[in-house]
Amino acid sequence: GNSVTQMEGPVTLSEEAFLTINCTYTATGYPSLFWYVQYPGEGLQLLLKATKADDKGSNKGFEATYRKETTSFHLEKGSVQVSDSAVYFCALSRSNDYKLSFGAGTTVTVRA
Amino acid sequence: DGGITQSPKYLFRKEGQNVTLSCEQNLNHDAMYWYRQDPGQGLRLIYYSQIVNDFQKGDIAEGYSVSREKKESFPLTVTSAQKNPTAFYLCASSSKTGTTDTQYFGPGTRLTVL
Repeated sequence: GNSVTQMEGPVTLSEEAFLTINCTYTATGYPSLFWYVQYPGEGLQLLLKATKADDKGSNKGFEATYRKETTSFHLEKGSVQVSDSAVYFCALSRSNDYKLSFGAGTTVTVRA
Repeated sequence: DGGITQSPKYLFRKEGQNVTLSCEQNLNHDAMYWYRQDPGQGLRLIYYSQIVNDFQKGDIAEGYSVSREKKESFPLTVTSAQKNPTAFYLCASSSKTGTTDTQYFGPGTRLTVL
């Protein structure tokens, strides 16, 4: 079945530091890959997505590249801000299956 | 503004009571979903619906029920059979027209059993 494994947190960084959150997946076929972000007390917001191998999703300074050879979709940001403090979820869906499979989430705290 | 609304934001229930969580969307999406989130865990799918008057069980459907009488609405009932209902509940929707299947989430309802 489908599964997603994320880097365990929590992750604590200083402002302007480089952020990487690792995500690997197991799936048959060619899934779409997503990163969602959850701010405290809120629902999930789509951060970025990629739908085929070698696609790069990007938004708000965050990037992730769909690597089929390593079954990975690592999230990166070059210079984090305090406002990036949140929980980040990696997820996948298959094109013939409307269900999302989520990783456990990684809590990121950015200190001024 | 298009979006997904969930109500109430906070809900308290006594043991043995059924409660219904509301989810409404005005995005004209065909598919709707209910997830449960527990601390330190990812989201787990409870039920989903791809079309009006049809729905399927997800991974943890026991103790829950849903209905889909209107395209815009997908209420979730947490029954007394659910042994550990305290959690954060998230509703989502997606369009079936594309292959990317991006799901858009509501703000969530936090249910606490007293």
